[in-house]
Amino acid sequence: AQTVTQSQPEMSVQEAETVTLSCTYDTSESNYYLFWYKQPPSRQMILVIRQEAYKQQNATENRFSVNFQKAAKSFSLKISDSQLGDTAMYFCAFMKPAGAGTALIFGKGTTLSVSS
Amino acid sequence: NAGVMQNPRHLVRRRGQEARLRCSPMKGHSHVYWYRQLPEEGLKFMVYLQKENIIDESGMPKERFSAEFPKEGPSILRIQQVVRGDSAAYFCASSPSTGKGLTETQYFGPGTRLLVL
Repeated sequence: AQTVTQSQPEMSVQEAETVTLSCTYDTSESNYYLFWYKQPPSRQMILVIRQEAYKQQNATENRFSVNFQKAAKSFSLKISDSQLGDTAMYFCAFMKPAGAGTALIFGKGTTLSVSS
Repeated sequence: NAGVMQNPRHLVRRRGQEARLRCSPMKGHSHVYWYRQLPEEGLKFMVYLQKENIIDESGMPKERFSAEFPKEGPSILRIQQVVRGDSAAYFCASSPSTGKGLTETQYFGPGTRLLVL
């Protein structure tokens, strides 16, 4: 069975600084998808970034980028130029490809606090 | 394009009552997923539906819980005879059908917070 581990329950960073959230996963699949979702105090789940395992290039979305290390089964999220609005809980999630079960498997989350 | 809609946003029930949670997927999306989030936990998959079909209910408790996604109208997650342990946030997500066997990103609704007294 697949598992997702986020080893940092809480992190804090100052505005404009860079922070990296870690995520490791365990799977025997060779092709899969990885996601980072953000859950601000409103509790809405917002997609931050997505990575296909067959792509070697790391995904980027504006200030958000990932460091995907397939051999190490590691998928960290880097937030550059942190903003107060980035304060949220961040969840790493794994999904097998279509036809093999499409449930997202989530880690327990990392609470990020950005201060001025 | 409206996002995934869920209602009610908050629901209070007494033990033994029924809870009915609704989810309208994004326009053009034919796949619906339900997840449950207990306090201080990540989301846990419950059930995956397409129109009029339950595709995967491996995460749903065998008793008291049921889900449907009728041809017309929203998807419904029904919890009968609620107990305090059912108190949680219930999220619905939807994704489009590519018709190519590709996995599509799931987009989430705002959730329904169920409190059982």
